[in-house]
Amino acid sequence: GDSVTQMEGPVTLSEEAFLTINCTYTATGYPSLFWYVQYPGEGLQLLLKATKADDKGSNKGFEATYRKETTSFHLEKGSVQVSDSAVYFCALSDNYGQNFVFGPGTRLSVLP
Amino acid sequence: DGGITQSPKYLFRKEGQNVTLSCEQNLNHDAMYWYRQDPGQGLRLIYYSQIVNDFQKGDIAEGYSVSREKKESFPLTVTSAQKNPTAFYLCASTPGRYQPQHFGDGTRLSIL
Repeated sequence: GDSVTQMEGPVTLSEEAFLTINCTYTATGYPSLFWYVQYPGEGLQLLLKATKADDKGSNKGFEATYRKETTSFHLEKGSVQVSDSAVYFCALSDNYGQNFVFGPGTRLSVLP
Repeated sequence: DGGITQSPKYLFRKEGQNVTLSCEQNLNHDAMYWYRQDPGQGLRLIYYSQIVNDFQKGDIAEGYSVSREKKESFPLTVTSAQKNPTAFYLCASTPGRYQPQHFGDGTRLSIL
């Protein structure tokens, strides 16, 4: 079945450091790909998405590019802030676009 | 503002008791979902519903039940058959295929 793998956390960075969170997937067909962010005690919020190969999703300084050849969707940000501390989830929609598979999440802590 | 409302935010269950978690959305979305999140883990699908009066089991449906009598409402009952119900429960909805999910702020269920 479909699956999503994320790099193990927690990830701890200093403010203004460069962020990369790796995400790779296994899926049949052409899934849509998503990054969600979860702050403590809250639900998930959509951060960005990409629906086809070579699409780049971007939002709030975060970017991710849909790489079909490497089945990857790595999340990047050039300069993280303390307020970016949260758990980040990579996800895909299945071939029918009706169900979703989530990675285990990566906790990011940004120190001032 | 449109969104998903989950209630209560915190819920306590006694042994042998059934409890119901509420999920209401005013986004006019057709599809709704229930997920369970355990500490440090990703989301696991309990049930989902694509249309009113129809729903399907997810990966971990045992010990749970749902109903979808109205488009805007998708309550989840945690029955006494669910032996380890302590978790964070998230409700989500989508407007259509391949669209990202919108999430509520979750209900944290604990055992007394």
